[in-house]
Amino acid sequence: DAGVTQSPTHLIKTRGQQVTLRCSPKSGHDTVSWYQQALGQGPQFIFQYYEEEERQRGNFPDRFSGHQFPNYSSELNVNALLLGDSALYLCASSLGPGDTQYFGPGTRLTVL
Amino acid sequence: AQKITQTQPGMFVQEKEAVTLDCTYDTSDQSYGLFWYKQPSSGEMIFLIYQGSYDEQNATEGRYSLNFQKARKSANLVISASQLGDSAMYFCAMREALSGGYNKLIFGAGTRLAVHP
Repeated sequence: DAGVTQSPTHLIKTRGQQVTLRCSPKSGHDTVSWYQQALGQGPQFIFQYYEEEERQRGNFPDRFSGHQFPNYSSELNVNALLLGDSALYLCASSLGPGDTQYFGPGTRLTVL
Repeated sequence: AQKITQTQPGMFVQEKEAVTLDCTYDTSDQSYGLFWYKQPSSGEMIFLIYQGSYDEQNATEGRYSLNFQKARKSANLVISASQLGDSAMYFCAMREALSGGYNKLIFGAGTRLAVHP
């Protein structure tokens, strides 16, 4: 049974560029949440997707957007990248919006 | 606002000994969930153990147990018989209920555990 997968593993971008990160949930999971983890800190909630809609959002600007596809996979898009967007981006999936979240290996984004 | 506090930035333990990682939380909700995750240097956040606020017994999963003291608002993780592979960052998290039945996890700052041979 495959766990949560994310791609790419690492990414280097320059300020002002746009980036798309991808996530495939565990088999049978229909809810995907995204978190940002800056160096030396705990993860911060970005948003949660269920039934192809953004259901809840953390304190992140509109530059952060996402999408969920009919197969429950998800994308995180970040526009107009800033140096402060450099972080580990974690995707988590769950059986439903209220269930235990299982995380993927993350995508490490570096903005130069 | 809900908050998780982990006061130990780093902990050291000898292999085969037990170690306790501290976690206190703050919430006004009656129903909540507490989690512990392990994050090795690879970055993946690995789910270890869960405790519901209405669970009367402390949760256990193999060598992991959660010492839940509701009145003190603490949810300490106990790892018995430490192994070298236990060296990692450990995060305590709380499930915060949001509108519409949705939820998010609120994480503490983490504790780095080093297991010495």
